[in-house]
Amino acid sequence: QVQLVESGGGVVQPGGSLRLSCAASGFTFSSYGMHWVRQAPGKGLEWVAFIRYDGSNKYYADSVKGRFTISRDNSKNTLYLQMNSLRAEDTAVYYCAKDRSDDEGAFDIWGQGTMVTVSS
Amino acid sequence: QSVLTQPPSASGTPGQRVTISCSGSSSNIGSNTVNWYQQLPGTAPKLLIYSNNQRPSGVPDRFSGSKSGTSASLAISGLQSEDEADYYCAAWDDSLNAVVFGGGTKLTVL
Repeated sequence: QVQLVESGGGVVQPGGSLRLSCAASGFTFSSYGMHWVRQAPGKGLEWVAFIRYDGSNKYYADSVKGRFTISRDNSKNTLYLQMNSLRAEDTAVYYCAKDRSDDEGAFDIWGQGTMVTVSS
Repeated sequence: QSVLTQPPSASGTPGQRVTISCSGSSSNIGSNTVNWYQQLPGTAPKLLIYSNNQRPSGVPDRFSGSKSGTSASLAISGLQSEDEADYYCAAWDDSLNAVVFGGGTKLTVL
């Protein structure tokens, strides 16, 4: 079935780095735009980043611009989020989400999320 | 402070109709489509409405969406206990080049 599975979360010190992965299955990964969305504990949803189906365009929230990099490997059906210079305010559950098309901005499939905790 | 504005809470009794509003601006709702998500406690969000008023397969027709100008609304008719969840609106923002979410509305079924 259609599925997204995130991995790579954990505890990291402020200023540290972490790379999240999102393995896709059950659909033609290379045909769809992909997003990362996060949710801090007890807070609402915050969009983080978007990458087009072929990786040609990437967009970032101002809060992560210059620190986070979204990428994808269509041969491995995998989405990535490289997070550098992590801050306490980056602590959240990170979800990867599939766009309904390439860049429609509607997220029709979500992963279960992976927790990132930035703490000393 | 979220770019899109939603009421923090809403409530209703079983069978009632409730609406949740989402207010934005010309750069987001005013020029792009609105999507709605439902997040049940302890679970990942789920797409409820896309392109202002379209329901994905499997979403009951008790849920409906509308948009007018720079505002949108989600309506839930025949309220059921399992509708108790957080609801979020979202849209692309042309000025920010980003997807923006509302702060979320916690729906309580009394």
